[in-house]
Amino acid sequence: ETGVTQTPRHLVMGMTNKKSLKCEQHLGHNAMYWYKQSAKKPLELMFVYNFKEQTENNSVPSRFSPECPNSSHLFLHLHTLQPEDSALYLCASSPEGTGIYNEQFFGPGTRLTVL
Amino acid sequence: AQKVTQAQTEISVVEKEDVTLDCVYETRDTTYYLFWYKQPPSGELVFLIRRNSFDEQNEISGRYSWNFQKSTSSFNFTITASQVVDSAVYFCALGPTQGGSEKLVFGKGTKLTVNP
Repeated sequence: ETGVTQTPRHLVMGMTNKKSLKCEQHLGHNAMYWYKQSAKKPLELMFVYNFKEQTENNSVPSRFSPECPNSSHLFLHLHTLQPEDSALYLCASSPEGTGIYNEQFFGPGTRLTVL
Repeated sequence: AQKVTQAQTEISVVEKEDVTLDCVYETRDTTYYLFWYKQPPSGELVFLIRRNSFDEQNEISGRYSWNFQKSTSSFNFTITASQVVDSAVYFCALGPTQGGSEKLVFGKGTKLTVNP
């Protein structure tokens, strides 16, 4: 596989469930990102990892817990979500961890619905 | 505070028409980057262009062109002779050049529909 892949592509969960989103990049990049895309809202950056270290947490509620075991994999663990958390969750990666002048490559996203 | 405004929520054109997508930004930074991304129905954002605030030259890439006007804080995107495959949501984004922050600020996007 090439590029940035995300699984699952669609997820429906109840408010008491625990689930995880997975992102994998096959580009040899060192930075990975989680974004949230809600209807009629701008894309929101959630987390940034550079060389497996979290460098940005954009005031995200603790019910979202990221994990980056290595530079190629990024997870978003979900627990006790609310219906307003329903959105498209996009993962991205970029070559270097310190410069946004490096373009970000996005995955296809996971469409999450919280009932 | 940084902000990106894409005033056009949706645009619909007929194939072969030219269309311009507007982007206006606000920033107190003296240097910054501007981006355009395309999001087709499949979901993933596709990078189109990055522009450094120092470089005010307009750019053309095939049917795509970008008009950067620092005086009006605008970075507009024009598609010439539009095609059905251009149908997508287009996002303009602003990012810092310093501070090590990877935070891009996105506009709300403009949904472009090109009808045959």
